[in-house]
Amino acid sequence: DARVTQTPRHKVTEMGQEVTMRCQPILGHNTVFWYRQTMMQGLELLAYFRNRAPLDDSGMPKDRFSAEMPDATLATLKIQPSEPRDSAVYFCASGSVGSGGGFTGELFFGEGSRLTVL
Amino acid sequence: DQQVKQNSPSLSVQEGRISILNCDYTNSMFDYFLWYKKYPAEGPTFLISISSIKDKNEDGRFTVFLNKSAKHLSLHIVPSQPGDSAVYFCAASDTDSWGKLQFGAGTQVVVTP
Repeated sequence: DARVTQTPRHKVTEMGQEVTMRCQPILGHNTVFWYRQTMMQGLELLAYFRNRAPLDDSGMPKDRFSAEMPDATLATLKIQPSEPRDSAVYFCASGSVGSGGGFTGELFFGEGSRLTVL
Repeated sequence: DQQVKQNSPSLSVQEGRISILNCDYTNSMFDYFLWYKKYPAEGPTFLISISSIKDKNEDGRFTVFLNKSAKHLSLHIVPSQPGDSAVYFCAASDTDSWGKLQFGAGTQVVVTP
């Protein structure tokens, strides 16, 4: 049963600490996304990669957030230093462009990493 | 700048009746629309989609309608079942930005017996 795996599921940390969230996309998917869900903003796109190359990270606060994909099986989202306003649920999602370049529309989401910054 | 809006934060419906969820968008470049369903402590799961070349797509109990001139889409669930109780997100994208989905704020649906 293919699924997107995220770790940790829950993280409580203090302001100023570094936080790293990890995602294992579904094998064979060539596009990986990081979304953040907050009560105020809903689901917002932070960054995404295609074939491991970053395509768009305009939704991410550049001074403290960084996203990487060191290999096809791992995507990371790092926050340094973390702040209380970063408290949210962070979702990773993966998908694949069809063989004809078509857009199927379906993204597969992980269960999310709930971050609390005190 | 919310380009996808779900103006009803919640909806309560009786089991067996129809649930109608609404979504409005502002970006005329959007040409692909999706609905996702989310249970607590889980990630969103894909429900149904529609391309801008269509005005209706049906999958079992779920039907999505698209009115391009009004920049409006709706999701109909009939009949509603208790397992449909979840948050429903409307999302939109354009084919040049594959996967870069813009989500609405979500509508919490509660199906009562």
